[in-house]
Amino acid sequence: DAGVTQSPTHLIKTRGQQVTLRCSPKSGHDTVSWYQQALGQGPQFIFQYYEEEERQRGNFPDRFSGHQFPNYSSELNVNALLLGDSALYLCASSWEGYRNEQYFGPGTRLTVT
Amino acid sequence: QKEVEQNSGPLSVPEGAIASLNCTYSDRGSQSFFWYRQYSGKSPELIMSIYSNGDKEDGRFTAQLNKASQYVSLLIRDSQPSDSATYLCAVKSNYQLIWGAGTKLIIKP
Repeated sequence: DAGVTQSPTHLIKTRGQQVTLRCSPKSGHDTVSWYQQALGQGPQFIFQYYEEEERQRGNFPDRFSGHQFPNYSSELNVNALLLGDSALYLCASSWEGYRNEQYFGPGTRLTVT
Repeated sequence: QKEVEQNSGPLSVPEGAIASLNCTYSDRGSQSFFWYRQYSGKSPELIMSIYSNGDKEDGRFTAQLNKASQYVSLLIRDSQPSDSATYLCAVKSNYQLIWGAGTKLIIKP
């Protein structure tokens, strides 16, 4: 049973560029949440997708956008990258039908220079 | 602003002893509570979930919940060096998880 997968593992971008991160949920899961984790801090909620719709969003600017596909996989897009966007980006999947226990992928380490 | 508070540590515990990790939260409406373990450079791993007041045991781990006091704890019995990690407390609020900053646990051989 494949767990949550994310790609790429590491990414280096320049300020002002755009980036797309990808996530495939655990088999049987239908909900994808994205988090940003800075060094030494807990994850910060970006948004959650269910039934291809963004149904809750955290305190992140519109530069952060996402999408969920019919196969439940998801993308996170960040435009106009800032140095402060450097972080570990985590995707978590869950099943709507059971208490929403969230399981994380390995993350994408984004460095903005 | 909904918050989750944890002591950042580090908490140093001798091998074989009990490690006790604590967490308080501000959202009285929360019904779901989670403990995750995160090794350096890795993603969080779910180790315990708890939804009702009282204790829940799973192997060497026991989660304790007191909704009246807005308090969640995690006990690790017979601590092993492999338990050395950062432990994150997460509380479900609407659809999102709100996280503490984590407690770094060090198990001394």
